[in-house]
Amino acid sequence: DTAVSQTPKYLVTQMGNDKSIKCEQNLGHDTMYWYKQDSKKFLKIMFSYNNKELIINETVPNRFSPKSPDKAHLNLHINSLELGDSAVYFCASSKDTQYFGPGTRLTVL
Amino acid sequence: GESVGLHLPTLSVQEGDNSIINCAYSNSASDYFIWYKQESGKGPQFIIDIRSNMDKRQGQRVTVLLNKTVKHLSLQIAATQPGDSAVYFCAETTGRRALTFGSGTRLQVQP
Repeated sequence: DTAVSQTPKYLVTQMGNDKSIKCEQNLGHDTMYWYKQDSKKFLKIMFSYNNKELIINETVPNRFSPKSPDKAHLNLHINSLELGDSAVYFCASSKDTQYFGPGTRLTVL
Repeated sequence: GESVGLHLPTLSVQEGDNSIINCAYSNSASDYFIWYKQESGKGPQFIIDIRSNMDKRQGQRVTVLLNKTVKHLSLQIAATQPGDSAVYFCAETTGRRALTFGSGTRLQVQP
């Protein structure tokens, strides 16, 4: 009965590859987010979707493309992965308070 | 630009003591503040929140204080336990925008 779930939990890949991270929430929230947490634990917003529509797109390379097939899902696709993309990526959802998923640790070799 | 920050990167306390984690914010338009706890290998977990029309809110063993005059937020944890050891983040937002997080404080509870 996990509220916000992400898959995979760990992702190790080579530079230049394309990968996706999936997120699902069963809270009935309208708004979902992707955050990036760097090696210094700093959390920064990447994208926000409300009712499947993009409402926030911070300064993120266009290699990152979020996709929301429905209100309960917000996936993150990353093209041409670079070393600097290595981080932990968190999905979150909210009505008012934001609830976070367990994170996906991405390591680019 | 506007930012949210913390005074202490690491706080070490003895089990049973009270802990106080501080946070400074600079966006005077922020109207909603949240404290999150992040344990190793997990996502941020909601602890307590406060709106800008309040200056104090209490939960179970936790209290958040908001001083809008000096743009300061604090989290007080009573009778700190080993299970409280984690990184604590303050976050602020305006309306339903995405959260702006502070840089985090690591709380270490010594048995």
